[in-house]
Amino acid sequence: AQSVTQPDIHITVSEGASLELRCNYSYGATPYLFWYVQSPGQGLQLLLKYFSGDTLVQGIKGFEAEFKRSQSSFNLRKPSVHWSDAAEYFCAVGGDTGRRALTFGSGTRLQVQP
Amino acid sequence: EAGVAQSPRYKIIEKRQSVAFWCNPISGHATLYWYQQILGQGPKLLIQFQNNGVVDDSQLPKDRFSAERLKGVDSTLKIQPAKLEDSAVYLCASSLDSWDPGTYTFGSGTRLTVV
Repeated sequence: AQSVTQPDIHITVSEGASLELRCNYSYGATPYLFWYVQSPGQGLQLLLKYFSGDTLVQGIKGFEAEFKRSQSSFNLRKPSVHWSDAAEYFCAVGGDTGRRALTFGSGTRLQVQP
Repeated sequence: EAGVAQSPRYKIIEKRQSVAFWCNPISGHATLYWYQQILGQGPKLLIQFQNNGVVDDSQLPKDRFSAERLKGVDSTLKIQPAKLEDSAVYLCASSLDSWDPGTYTFGSGTRLTVV
């Protein structure tokens, strides 16, 4: 069964610092991987997705993620964090085995210090 | 293109009462999902429809939760009777008929508080 682990429950970074949020997945074949962001009281917004091809994926708001099959990871990065990036970030995995629903990690809450 | 519509946005009920949530997916999206997101957790799939048929309801607490998707378009999720632990945000999502993760779109959710 597919699963996602986000090891960091809460991360605090200073504004302007770089950011890396970790995501590890468990899936038998080539996964479809996603990163979503959720601000308080808001819905889920898709940041980026990986299906195949180039393992470095660019997303919105200056985010990128790298798919590493050997490590079963799909970490999210941003070179310089803005105060508006403070939110909850979710990694998700889906597949093409007929079970098309996404499985989400438990999320990482990002706090940005001025 | 209109997004996934959900209503109501907020609902407060007492335990043992019943409640219903409504979802209107993106036009042409054959697959519809209901997720439950408890505070501090990631969304968890409750049920998945393909047109008006159920694909996966393995995590739906069927003793109290029910869902339907009449005519393969709108969907309703019902809880009867509600328990305190049902307090959560209920998210609806839809995607195109064939597996196309790029079309997976979430609604804004319904926040349920059971007191």
